[in-house]
Amino acid sequence: QVQLVQSGAEVKKPGASVKVSCKASEHTFRSNYMHWVRQAPGQGLEWMGMINPNGGIPSHAQKFQGRVTMTRETSTSTVYMELRRLRSEDTAVYYCATDPGNYYFDSWGQGTLVTISS
Amino acid sequence: QSALTQAASVSGSPGQSITISCTGTSNDVGAYNYVSWYQQHPGKAPKLMIYDVSDRPSGVSNRFSGSKSGNTASLTISGLQAEDEADYYCSSYASSGSVVFGGGTKLTVL
Repeated sequence: QVQLVQSGAEVKKPGASVKVSCKASEHTFRSNYMHWVRQAPGQGLEWMGMINPNGGIPSHAQKFQGRVTMTRETSTSTVYMELRRLRSEDTAVYYCATDPGNYYFDSWGQGTLVTISS
Repeated sequence: QSALTQAASVSGSPGQSITISCTGTSNDVGAYNYVSWYQQHPGKAPKLMIYDVSDRPSGVSNRFSGSKSGNTASLTISGLQAEDEADYYCSSYASSGSVVFGGGTKLTVL
């Protein structure tokens, strides 16, 4: 069973940045694309972007252009998602999820609640 | 990229079958067989139920099935059970290189 372990909940002020981590096993890290999906309170799922297992340029949804950075750290089998210039509507649970290559998400992290509040 | 269109809610009685539709465009659902479905119970992470339009992951009940016709994908749940009550989301790869989700359908088992 694939296990993805995410970092803990965060409270940030508007305009700040947040960096969420997602740790996988080495095998999972090397053989899957890793995606980030978020869910605002009471709302649906929203795809943010993905990073491939062989490095390369991550891709992300147009709406996050200029605000999001997705990176990978091979030595620890960890992927990161940094979101900058936070606003209240960024309050959400952020999930990482694995994708074996066909744009579906077969394992999910436990979610990280990010709350934006002044 | 616009979200895929799903009905907000659907209901059925135990033992019945229900179908949830997911309508996209010729740039996403209609163009690729990369449609997947997820079940989400309150406070939990989503769970993959169907991938590649109609394939079922190991461990998912064969009461769940998927199909696609044109720009519309469908998830059918047969023999409804109380534990099927949850939110269901469809997802598709899109020609923009992104992934798009449906707005979600709340299934109530009466």
